Amino acid sequence: EAQVTQNPRYLITVTGKKLTVTCSQNMNHEYMSWYRQDPGLGLRQIYYSMNVEVTDKGDVPEGYKVSRKEKRNFPLILESPSPNQTSLYFCASSLSRLLNTGELFFGEGSRLTVL
Amino acid sequence: DQQVKQNSPSLSVQEGRISILNCDYTNSMFDYFLWYKKYPAEGPTFLISISSIKDKNEDGRFTVFLNKSAKHLSLHIVPSQPGDSAVYFCAASAEGNSGGYQKVTFGTGTKLQVIP
Repeated sequence: EAQVTQNPRYLITVTGKKLTVTCSQNMNHEYMSWYRQDPGLGLRQIYYSMNVEVTDKGDVPEGYKVSRKEKRNFPLILESPSPNQTSLYFCASSLSRLLNTGELFFGEGSRLTVL
Repeated sequence: DQQVKQNSPSLSVQEGRISILNCDYTNSMFDYFLWYKKYPAEGPTFLISISSIKDKNEDGRFTVFLNKSAKHLSLHIVPSQPGDSAVYFCAASAEGNSGGYQKVTFGTGTKLQVIP
């Protein structure tokens, strides 16, 4: 089954404790991206990757890191989480690095709470 | 700076009637527009899109209209069904310097409730 898989789905952590949210897709997609969803703010793009070893900042990259060492994986790293990073996070992928269709496939989301 | 705006946080419609969801954008460089639907506890799913060279795109019960001069697009659902109850996100993108639509900007979403 074609899918984007995120882990963990739910996480409660404390300020400053490094964490990684993994994202994996099995569709051989070139393009991958991370979003966060917050009330009243919609979905905001954190980072995106056009292909392996190619990453770029989205609209809200502060406090986050990403890497794209393999085509299928695009982990989101919070080196020193803070309470303002409490949010619902979505990973998404798209077949073409050119995103010709604009059709993104989303994971089910990871709800992160930072105390 | 919210470049894509959905000014109605919620909308209630009777089953069988038309649902109209609106979206406004400010960035004139946007030339590709999409609608996504999101159910609780799930990721958004792509619904329909439209290129700026068109003013209408239809897919079954869903039609998207684009008015470039007004920087406005709308999603029409006819007839509305209870299963359409979800949050709908408008999204827009612009072609990047190296080609392709790299950044997709989403609106804040409109929660649609279709009443049986």
